Amino acid sequence: SQQGEEDPQALSIQEGENATMNCSYKTSINNLQWYRQNSGRGLVHLILIRSNEREKHSGRLRVTLDTSKKSSSLLITASRAADTASYFCATDANTGNQFYFGTGTSLTVIP
Amino acid sequence: EPEVTQTPSHQVTQMGQEVILRCVPISNHLYFYWYRQILGQKVEFLVSFYNNEISEKSEIFDDQFSVERPDGSNFTLKIRSTKLEDSAMYFCASSTGQGAHEQFFGPGTRLTVL
Repeated sequence: SQQGEEDPQALSIQEGENATMNCSYKTSINNLQWYRQNSGRGLVHLILIRSNEREKHSGRLRVTLDTSKKSSSLLITASRAADTASYFCATDANTGNQFYFGTGTSLTVIP
Repeated sequence: EPEVTQTPSHQVTQMGQEVILRCVPISNHLYFYWYRQILGQKVEFLVSFYNNEISEKSEIFDDQFSVERPDGSNFTLKIRSTKLEDSAMYFCASSTGQGAHEQFFGPGTRLTVL
């Protein structure tokens, strides 16, 4: 299975702290994306990283990709209560038409 | 900012009934997708659609499912004879291209089969 698996399953931090979530996958990929989902809501795209990229930044988000270890990490710096959500990584299959989502990391930021 | 919209937000149906879930993708997007998320589980790919035909589908997308783009704006998912296990959130997504292109997701339709 291509599915990404996030780690940890749940993370609770104080506001202002950094949050790091990890994603591992099994087979080679073209791209990896991180999404956020607030409870009962749709998925919001955060960042896409290509297999030939090692790091990308977007505001308070930093994503790394290590294709040799088949893993990616999402770092949220200076967390806010509004960052409370579930975070998913999604990896593509060779055709690039479908993405395989992991089970997600549930992040709680305590004000 | 353009967004994917879905209707209805919540659909309740009796087992065995047909349901049609509707989506309006972002207007200049060419690729369309349906995903589902059973409560507490992963988001699962169902189908992708391009140029008026299915380009890829998963094992979940069996004969009871069908998709259609009946006009220039709507993209629909039909479940012919609903089962209890079809209860889930169904998300529509669209993108400008495949592969290294962001998929924009709609807010989802919660389907409850009784």
